[in-house]
Amino acid sequence: NAGVTQTPKFRILKIGQSMTLQCTQDMNHNYMYWYRQDPGMGLKLIYYSVGAGITDKGEVPNGYNVSRSTTEDFPLRLELAAPSQTSVYFCASSYPEQHGRSSGNTIYFGEGSWLTVV
Amino acid sequence: EDKVVQSPLSLVVHEGDTVTLNCSYEVTNFRSLLWYKQEKKAPTFLFMLTSSGIEKKSGRLSSILDKKELFSILNITATQTGDSAIYLCAVGTLLSLQGAQKLVFGQGTRLTINP
Repeated sequence: NAGVTQTPKFRILKIGQSMTLQCTQDMNHNYMYWYRQDPGMGLKLIYYSVGAGITDKGEVPNGYNVSRSTTEDFPLRLELAAPSQTSVYFCASSYPEQHGRSSGNTIYFGEGSWLTVV
Repeated sequence: EDKVVQSPLSLVVHEGDTVTLNCSYEVTNFRSLLWYKQEKKAPTFLFMLTSSGIEKKSGRLSSILDKKELFSILNITATQTGDSAIYLCAVGTLLSLQGAQKLVFGQGTRLTINP
């Protein structure tokens, strides 16, 4: 039962460096998301994707880029790391909402990636 | 702007007590309200609520949603030290016509259960 898998779990970056957080899911979910969680706060949406080849910005996209070339993978790229990007990053995925039903859909999270920029 | 507010932010009780955690929200395009438990790692799903007045139960935990008053509560009875965690409330709002949802999170309630 892999679910949503993120790598790396921990990383220290220097200011100005770039890196990619990897995320893969094996549940055949259409929707994938990247959130960040700052200390003592709830999670905020960075980017999301509704399917391969389709991505869009969330609440806090600045400083990040994403791509979705396959259903399974949704990497998050930091181009020029800044101290403000020190955070915990969570990848998540979900099924589409069921047609005709006024209901939500459960979102499953990866284990998180702790990133420190110094 | 979509907003989710949880209270209290922090709660310390003794083992065996009953606790009630609150979550109020103001969002457009409400789809669902979700409760998560977060220990050291990722949020773990507890409940998803979409209809008013229908209680969801799982063991000692239960939750209910009031869509008229825009709030939800999470109850934990006979608390145990293993219930110590941050409890996050999130409201799902529609992001796209394809049905993707954004979760708007509250700040969380840090619950500590003392033996």
